[in-house]
Amino acid sequence: QQPVQSPQAVILREGEDAVINCSSSKALYSVHWYRQKHGEAPVFLMILLKGGEQKGHEKISASFNEKKQQSSLYLTASQLSYSGTYFCGTAISGNTPLVFGKGTRLSVIA
Amino acid sequence: GAVVSQHPSRVICKSGTSVKIECRSLDFQATTMFWYRQFPKQSLMLMATSNEGSKATYEQGVEKDKFLINHASLTLSTLTVTSAHPEDSSFYICSARDWQGGPGEQFFGPGTRLTVL
Repeated sequence: QQPVQSPQAVILREGEDAVINCSSSKALYSVHWYRQKHGEAPVFLMILLKGGEQKGHEKISASFNEKKQQSSLYLTASQLSYSGTYFCGTAISGNTPLVFGKGTRLSVIA
Repeated sequence: GAVVSQHPSRVICKSGTSVKIECRSLDFQATTMFWYRQFPKQSLMLMATSNEGSKATYEQGVEKDKFLINHASLTLSTLTVTSAHPEDSSFYICSARDWQGGPGEQFFGPGTRLTVL
């Protein structure tokens, strides 16, 4: 079942922060976050495993709340290069394929 | 991260012809690869799971006779779109999960943009 992402789209000025949410009605094994720029394939950002964890990648971090089956991606001090569509992909076990949300379109303007 | 290549990156063909797309894991072995399709401004939709040495597993609504998948080795999976029609025009992306020493990140190839005239 497809996870639900919110918001659908967001516009930021450089330096502003954003949060993108991903929730599932199923018990998840892992949540994967990707960024896709127009005409390109998705680029892996990070993976979070069940048990609840938080990870950081430069100014981009994420958390996974296992009780709520919800993950959030945090973008701080956004840069123009952060623009793109962010997808969360969820897996219910270690060897099942990822099912992706509909994406969140992020636009960072100067 | 692990590298997945895909070839060709772009193909234009006439209606009724067949097109083969190759997906390779360059620096790791992948017993399982995944094929996704993405229409403009939409999400990635899983088409099938490609299993090395056995039949692919197709998602509901995906015609296995139209989208032929062959996973001949631990580093190569191919998707053949048979008798392609304009509605098959899309961005096809393969991916593989790298389990070596990690939690199984899934890496994508660069994608193949198929245009059927």
